[in-house]
This record gives sequence, structure tokens and C-alpha cells, in this order.
Amino acid sequence: DAGVTQSPTHLIKTRGQQVTLRCSPISGHKSVSWYQQVLGQGPQFIFQYYEKEERGRGNFPDRFSARQFPNYSSELNVNALLLGDSALYLCAAGRPQETQYFGPGTRLLVL
Amino acid sequence: ELKVEQNPLFLSMQEGKNYTIYCNYSTTSDRLYWYRQDPGKSLESLFVLLSNGAVKQEGRLMASLDTKARLSTLHITAAVHDLSATYFCAVSPALYSGGGADGLTFGKGTHLIIQP
Repeated sequence: DAGVTQSPTHLIKTRGQQVTLRCSPISGHKSVSWYQQVLGQGPQFIFQYYEKEERGRGNFPDRFSARQFPNYSSELNVNALLLGDSALYLCAAGRPQETQYFGPGTRLLVL
Repeated sequence: ELKVEQNPLFLSMQEGKNYTIYCNYSTTSDRLYWYRQDPGKSLESLFVLLSNGAVKQEGRLMASLDTKARLSTLHITAAVHDLSATYFCAVSPALYSGGGADGLTFGKGTHLIIQP
């Protein structure tokens, strides 16, 4: 039973560029959440999607957007990248009110 | 705004000793999670605590939840070097508060080093 997968694993971008990160949940899990983890801090909640609808949004600017596809995979888009967007981006999947399983993450570096 | 505080943030201890990590949260919640993170890795789920008085144990780790005090503890018994990692607690908003999303609020983490 495959776990949560994310791609790419690493990414280097320059300021002002746009980036798309991808996540595939565990089979049968319809809820996907995105988190940003800056070095030395706990993960910060960005978005949650369930059944292709946005269920929650954290305190992030409109440069951050996401969507969920019919197969429950998800994409996180970040526009107009800033140096401060450099972080580990984590995707979590699970059933509502149950354990959220985290993927391996995408490490983004903005130069 | 839901806030989660962990203490200590850094802990160095010797193998064989016992210690407790504390997690306080600011508003009502009905789910508390403990995760482990190794350097450069993702988060591994340890425990989910769903009700007041819940206690769960796995190996040398035991977690408990007191919803009235808004406090969870992670107790380490007879620590071994392999338990060295960063431990996070995370809280989900109470269902009846209208927080239907499962977005978790994390503490800053406890960086645990266990010396041989």
C-alpha cells in the first residue's frame, strides 16, 4: 500500500517565478492538506481539500493557490516567488478526523 | 486563533533516563496528534488522541491527553539513542466550533538528543 507521494523532491527557482508542487494521496483517502515548514519551525497549514472542494485555508497570501483533481491528487501553486518562500512543502492525506499521513515533501529553494 | 506551545524546545538527555515533553493548546480541540521528524525527513505519525483521559503507548513512548487542562504529554521511558529526533504535537480545531477543516496547528517542536 503506497504512502503519500510528492513531486518533485527538490526544486530551485528564482524570485518572481512560479512553481507547481504535486501530491498523490494514499488510495481511498479523499482529503489532502498542504503545509509549509521553514527550517527550525513546525509546519504551517496552507490549504485543505476534500472531495475537490477547499475546506480550509491558513494565513497565507493569495500568491498561494491549490486544487484537487477527480482522482484526489492535488497541486499547490505559488506565484511571484519570494526568498521567504524557501521551505519544505509537505502534503498530508487522510480520512476526516483521523491520522493525517505526510508525504516526503518538496524542498523549495528560491534564489 | 489556536496556539500550541511545546516545552522544552530543546532537550539533551542520557540513555536510560525518563523525561516528559509538554504540549499546551489555547482553545477547545477534540484531536491531538504527536509526530516525529528525523533530520531532513518528513513527519511520522506517532499517536492520535481523541478524548479526555486518552492514553496511548508504543514501545518507550506514552502519550496522554487532558482536554480540560488543554494539555498533552509525551513521556519517554528509559530513553535510547534511536529516539533522538524532533517531536511535534499538533492540534485540530473542535468540530462544533465550525472548524470543519482538518488543518493542524503545530507546536514549534522539541528537539531531543539522547546521548549514549
